[in-house]
Amino acid sequence: GENVEQHPSTLSVQEGDSAVIKCTYSDSASNYFPWYKQELGKGPQLIIDIRSNVGEKKDQRIAVTLNKTAKHFSLHITETQPEDSAVYFCAASSSASKIIFGSGTRLSIRP
Amino acid sequence: DVKVTQSSRYLVKRTGEKVFLECVQDMDHENMFWYRQDPGLGLRLIYFSYDVKMKEKGDIPEGYSVSREKKERFSLILESASTNQTSMYLCASSLFTGGNEQYFGPGTRLTVT
Repeated sequence: GENVEQHPSTLSVQEGDSAVIKCTYSDSASNYFPWYKQELGKGPQLIIDIRSNVGEKKDQRIAVTLNKTAKHFSLHITETQPEDSAVYFCAASSSASKIIFGSGTRLSIRP
Repeated sequence: DVKVTQSSRYLVKRTGEKVFLECVQDMDHENMFWYRQDPGLGLRLIYFSYDVKMKEKGDIPEGYSVSREKKERFSLILESASTNQTSMYLCASSLFTGGNEQYFGPGTRLTVT
């Protein structure tokens, strides 16, 4: 069945450095790729998404890139801050299908 | 401000008990979802509903059932709780089934002893 693989499972970066999380998907019909951030004690919340007609999207310190040919997409966080510490999930879906989530990345920002 | 609420943040039940987890959304969304979150496994879909009284199985429906009598409310039922159902349960809602944002509740941490 459809699958989304996410790496790494844990990531620790120095405050101010960049963090990159990568995902690959299997369903070639997927055309919507959201990223969710889950802070401690809360449900996941959408932070950025990208559709397949776009190769890159940026929102302040976060950006997402998509390579449809290779079926992979990545989240980039620049100038990391303590409040970026959280669990991040990538996901993939099409308009007709359910969202499939990756296994999550626990990001820790070292002071 | 959009909101998805879940009836309990923490729940402790005994093996064999019937357990109800309630979820309410105030966004008039057609679609509602129940996920289970376990470390290293991400969010796995248990059931979803695309309309009142309509439901579809997700990836791990065994041991669970659901009920959606009203548009805003979606209930997850564990008919006979088992220890392997100890987990975090997340409810979500969205306007469409796929291709759009899902809004999540804060989660219910269920422990079955």
